[in-house]
Amino acid sequence: AQKVTQAQTEISVVEKEDVTLDCVYETRDTTYYLFWYKQPPSGELVFLIRRNSFDEQNEISGRYSWNFQKSTSSFNFTITASQVVDSAVYFCALSENRDGDDKIIFGKGTRLHILP
Amino acid sequence: DTGVSQDPRHKITKRGQNVTFRCDPISEHNRLYWYRQTLGQGPEFLTYFQNEAQLEKSRLLSDRFSAERPKGSFSTLEIQRTEQGDSAMYLCASSGELPYNEQFFGPGTRLTVL
Repeated sequence: AQKVTQAQTEISVVEKEDVTLDCVYETRDTTYYLFWYKQPPSGELVFLIRRNSFDEQNEISGRYSWNFQKSTSSFNFTITASQVVDSAVYFCALSENRDGDDKIIFGKGTRLHILP
Repeated sequence: DTGVSQDPRHKITKRGQNVTFRCDPISEHNRLYWYRQTLGQGPEFLTYFQNEAQLEKSRLLSDRFSAERPKGSFSTLEIQRTEQGDSAMYLCASSGELPYNEQFFGPGTRLTVL
């Protein structure tokens, strides 16, 4: 069965610190996609990244970076030099795209507080 | 704005009443999804459409829930005889043709059942 686990329910760090959000996933498929979404207080889900299962290269986008490791079924997200505007709930998610079915399975989210 | 839109943004109703939500996807997108998000949880898949065909329904979608996409454009989600447990944010997303395309989410409809 497909499952996404975000063990950190809530994290608080002081502004400018680095923070890593953990994500562990389960799937039986060899082809799948992993995502991170941000949900600020306004409520709208903001897409951050999609990664397919065949691409294990780490990715960096500005202060954001992602570490995908198939060996440990993890897709962790790091924010460098955090800012107050990074405060939000962050969701890791999985889609198996089996038989054309690409519904997304979300984790429960990690609420991130960046303290000034 | 050409993103996914949802209407209404907020709905307060009394238990037992029927409610209907609307989702307008991005115009060229043929796939449309409904998710539900309760407090402190991630969004949970409810159902999805490819054009006007409803291809999958989650077991979360009880008989009181029905979704339609009559002309393959906008979609409606109706909840009959609402219960307090239906209180949640209802999210709509749309995407284009496979191979995999990103799902774009709307702002959601927050339902409160009193």
